[in-house]
Amino acid sequence: GQSLEQPSEVTAVEGAIVQINCTYQTSGFYGLSWYQQHDGGAPTFLSYNALDGLEETGRFSSFLSRSDSYGYLLLQELQMKDSASYFCAVCMNTGFQKLVFGTGTRLLVSP
Amino acid sequence: DGGITQSPKYLFRKEGQNVTLSCEQNLNHDAMYWYRQDPGQGLRLIYYSQIVNDFQKGDIAEGYSVSREKKESFPLTVTSAQKNPTAFYLCASSKDFSYEQYFGPGTRLTVT
Repeated sequence: GQSLEQPSEVTAVEGAIVQINCTYQTSGFYGLSWYQQHDGGAPTFLSYNALDGLEETGRFSSFLSRSDSYGYLLLQELQMKDSASYFCAVCMNTGFQKLVFGTGTRLLVSP
Repeated sequence: DGGITQSPKYLFRKEGQNVTLSCEQNLNHDAMYWYRQDPGQGLRLIYYSQIVNDFQKGDIAEGYSVSREKKESFPLTVTSAQKNPTAFYLCASSKDFSYEQYFGPGTRLTVT
C-alpha cells in the first residue's frame, strides 16, 4: 500500500518562510504533486516534481528526494491568503496513474 | 470560461435514499475522477474514468456507482448501501497528466 504523512498544522507570520514536509512509503510512482485547498473550496494544483531536486514557481518551491522518501513544499514571503490546507500526492505508476493524497497540512498565517 | 461545475453545493437526504451528484466539465478532458473528503483528512478516490463509456473503481467504491455516457459528464450516485455517506464530494478532471487535476467546487452531502 501507500501512505503519505504530513504535519497536521503549521503556523507562521506574514512575510516569513515555511516548509511543509511530506514523507511517504510507497513503491513505484512517477512523481510528487502539491495542492492547495482553502476552507470549503476546491483543491488547486501548485506544483509537480518528476525528478529529484527543487522546482520553483514564484513564491512556492517544491522538493523531492526519492532516496530519502521525502518531499517538501516551501512557501516564501507568506501572505494572509496563503492560509489554507496543503496536500502532497504521489502519482502512481502501477497501471492507472492515480493520485494518492497525503493527510494534509493546515497552514495558519498570522499578521 | 472553462471549468468544472458540480451541483448542488449542499445536499441533504434521508438515510436509505439514493442521491446523484452532478459533475460537468467543458475543458475537453478525457479523464474524470470522484473523490471523497472527510473532515481533516485527505482525498480518497471513489471512481475514475479515462474515456467515455469506461470507468473503474477507485479505493473506496463500495456503495457508489457512476456513469460516463458523455465526455463532459460524470455523475456519481451515492446508494443506500454506502454506510457513511455524509462527506464532501469532489469531482476532478485531467487532460494528459494525472498529476495535474482540475477540481470542481464540491458538493457537501449530509445524510440523516
